[in-house]
Amino acid sequence: AQSVTQLGSHVSVSEGALVLLRCNYSSSVPPYLFWYVQYPNQGLQLLLKYTTGATLVKGINGFEAEFKKSETSFHLTKPSAHMSDAAEYFCAVTPNAGNMLTFGGGTRLMVKP
Amino acid sequence: KAGVTQTPRYLIKTRGQQVTLSCSPISGHRSVSWYQQTPGQGLQFLFEYFSETQRNKGNFPGRFSGRQFSNSRSEMNVSTLELGDSALYLCASSLGRASYEQYFGPGTRLTVT
Repeated sequence: AQSVTQLGSHVSVSEGALVLLRCNYSSSVPPYLFWYVQYPNQGLQLLLKYTTGATLVKGINGFEAEFKKSETSFHLTKPSAHMSDAAEYFCAVTPNAGNMLTFGGGTRLMVKP
Repeated sequence: KAGVTQTPRYLIKTRGQQVTLSCSPISGHRSVSWYQQTPGQGLQFLFEYFSETQRNKGNFPGRFSGRQFSNSRSEMNVSTLELGDSALYLCASSLGRASYEQYFGPGTRLTVT
């Protein structure tokens, strides 16, 4: 079985500051990892994914994440926050490249002017 | 290309009734997955259909069922509604059984009174 833990249900940063959203996973097999963003009253949008290969993955809107197997982590970062980044972010894992995602509890990012 | 569409967007039902939600995937996508999103339980996988066959099922009671048609459109049905079924139901489509990228619709907001 797999699980995902997102540390911090709410994160607040100032505009222009570094964004760091934490995600730890457990999986009995090599995982496929994803970050999704959800804006109010909308569905989920894929930010980035790790399947195999390079452990540092770049996504849309300036976000990137690094897969660290030894730490079972897949933290999401962005060097400089924009007001438009305010949303809820979800980390997800699937153990077998299938379409059955297990999500973390989500982190609501607030960006202060 | 049109995105994933879900109908209706909002629905209010009474306890004990049943409801059917519809999802039209992106053209050419053959896999459709359903997720339930609630403030308490977060995002939980319901089931996945591929080529009209249920491929995976989450840990939900038998009141939750689904199907997929030959044109890949999918419906999910919830019978004997309970207050706890109030949630945002999200549909996601992907190209195949292991395509790594799922595209989410805007969801159907179901309120059970």
